Order: sequence, then structure tokens, then C-alpha cells
Amino acid sequence: TQLLEQSPQFLSIQEGENLTVYCNSSSVFSSLQWYRQEPGEGPVLLVTVVTGGEVKKLKRLTFQFGDARKDSSLHITAAQPGDTGLYLCAGSYNQGGKLIFGQGTELSVKP
Amino acid sequence: DAGITQSPRHKVTETGTPVTLRCHQTENHRYMYWYRQDPGHGLRLIHYSYGVKDTDKGEVSDGYSVSRSKTEDFLLTLESATSSQTSVYFCAISDRQKHTFGSSYNEQFFGPGTRLTVL
Repeated sequence: TQLLEQSPQFLSIQEGENLTVYCNSSSVFSSLQWYRQEPGEGPVLLVTVVTGGEVKKLKRLTFQFGDARKDSSLHITAAQPGDTGLYLCAGSYNQGGKLIFGQGTELSVKP
Repeated sequence: DAGITQSPRHKVTETGTPVTLRCHQTENHRYMYWYRQDPGHGLRLIHYSYGVKDTDKGEVSDGYSVSRSKTEDFLLTLESATSSQTSVYFCAISDRQKHTFGSSYNEQFFGPGTRLTVL
């Protein structure tokens, strides 16, 4: 059972465009994390959001946690080829540090 | 980068053979996890450990066993490999839970992965 739905699953855009990736669930999470993974490597943590409505910025990346803590979004402004990769959201239920991952969004930014 | 290594990095084996994957950390983190990653499924938890000799099942534990006799090592064993276990396997580690605004969470750090092919 996939408890976290990410959309879109694939996204191909031109350099300079903006994009948003969504992570949705019917469950309430105590926290939500976003990871980025490059081919042949393990995921790397980008950010953790904990409070409903929380917004965090990491350079051109903006992360938001929904007010009800059931959903999250990742917005990239002026995408660059270096942003290419697989973006994964992961939710936590406060149980032994276990995470539930979404299926991922594969982003390709063309020069 | 967190000190996590996985071995082997690539393995090809035949159906029915036993396989053991090793995860080694130098961070002295309490929690360790094994995931598998398949197209369209993200990462799915196989087993995890919250201390030496303390392990528990994840969502896809059938056909897998684990052992943790030392803080730094977490072994994943496929007792009799099947083709459905062809996947990329990731180990992750995490320190103590963080607490903020009434919520607790762990930040996980991942190893480089092991690509396993079962013929």
C-alpha cells in the first residue's frame, strides 16, 4: 500500500523554468523529509519539515508542509541542469524513526 | 558525508543461493535500516535495527533476515535468493530522534547502495 503519492512521476523541463512536485497522503505525519538522489548513489537529505504550514527555503528550492500535515510540496525556481535527479518525499509517524517513502519524481532539466 | 559503506557494491547470483549484504558505519549511530529500491516504488523498508541485537521487520521483510552483533555492522541475508529480489539495496543510519514542536523524527543518511541481480 502506497501511503505517500508523489506527482508527477516524471518531469522534463528546460533550464530556467519553474516546477512544483507534490507529495500527498491521507495520513497525518509527525514530520516529512525530502531527499534527492542521483544515479548510482544513495538519497541525500535536503530538508525536514515538522510544523503544519511550515515553509523552508534552500537556495532556489522551497519546501512547504501542509497545514494538516498530510501533504507537502517542493518548488524549484529557475531550474538548472544540476537539479536533475530523483526527488523523494518521506513521512514519519513518530515510531522508531521509520520512514514511509513516496515513489519519487524523476526530474530532467535540459540546457 | 556520513561514514557508511556497503559491500559488495554489485553482485550477480543464481536463484536459490544464499546472499549476505553488509552495511558498515563509522558514525556510532543507533539506528540502521535496510531498504530496497525498485522502479515505481520508491524505497521500501525491509528491516531495521534500533540497537545491537535489536531488530524489527519492515513492510517487505519476507525472504530476508538481518543481524546486528556490533553497533557498526548491519547484515542483510537472503536465505534463498529469488528473481523477485533483484533490486538495488540501500542501507541507512540515523542518530537519536530529534524532538521539536511536539514531534519527533530521525534524519537518515544513506549508503551508496548494492545492485543485486538474481538470475
